[in-house]
Amino acid sequence: EVQVLESGGGLVQPGGSLRLSCAASGFTFSTSPMNWVRQAPGKGLEWVSTISSGGPTYYADSVKGRFTISRDNSKNTLWLQMNGLRAEDTAVYYCAKGRMNGPFGDFDYWGQGTLVTVSS
Amino acid sequence: QSALTQPASVSGSPGQSITISCTGTRSDVGSYNLVSWYQQHPGKAPKLIIYEATQRPSGVSSRFSGSKSGNTASLTISGLQAEDEADYYCSSYAKSDTVLFGGGTKLTVL
Repeated sequence: EVQVLESGGGLVQPGGSLRLSCAASGFTFSTSPMNWVRQAPGKGLEWVSTISSGGPTYYADSVKGRFTISRDNSKNTLWLQMNGLRAEDTAVYYCAKGRMNGPFGDFDYWGQGTLVTVSS
Repeated sequence: QSALTQPASVSGSPGQSITISCTGTRSDVGSYNLVSWYQQHPGKAPKLIIYEATQRPSGVSSRFSGSKSGNTASLTISGLQAEDEADYYCSSYAKSDTVLFGGGTKLTVL
């Protein structure tokens, strides 16, 4: 059974940093593109970042230069390092497996999400 | 880039069919068949129901179908059921290697 499980969310002050983790199982992680998608409270979905199986990374303009996506295929783990956090980054962050190797928006398995709150 | 445009809400009675539109531009929906649709029930994670504009993942009901014409993609749900009441989002690959989502459509089953 495919499972993705996010962790690392919490309350952080503006300008602070947070590192989200996503543990994956039930599929061949090393050959799968992985993604982060977020959803602000009561709002719609927003793509954040994609990392292809071979390592190329892609970011939304809203987080470019502040967030870094990375993966460790030996640990079946995905991360999102978030620096310079702003109030508008407050959201549930979902880890999602992609179908095709690139930022194509086809996310076939999702975790339950982890809440990040940026507030003083 | 701007988000894709979806109607804020649609409604239908059980057994009827409804269609949700998703309008983009020549830089996204109009140039690629990389449109996906997601169903999200309250408090739950989104679920992929259509990919590559018209393809259904294994296990998704055949009552869900997708199409695309020009800059607009559409999701049709036939034989509407109470359990279909949810939020629906479209997404598309966009030029410069980004992903755009629509603002979401709330489906009410009357």
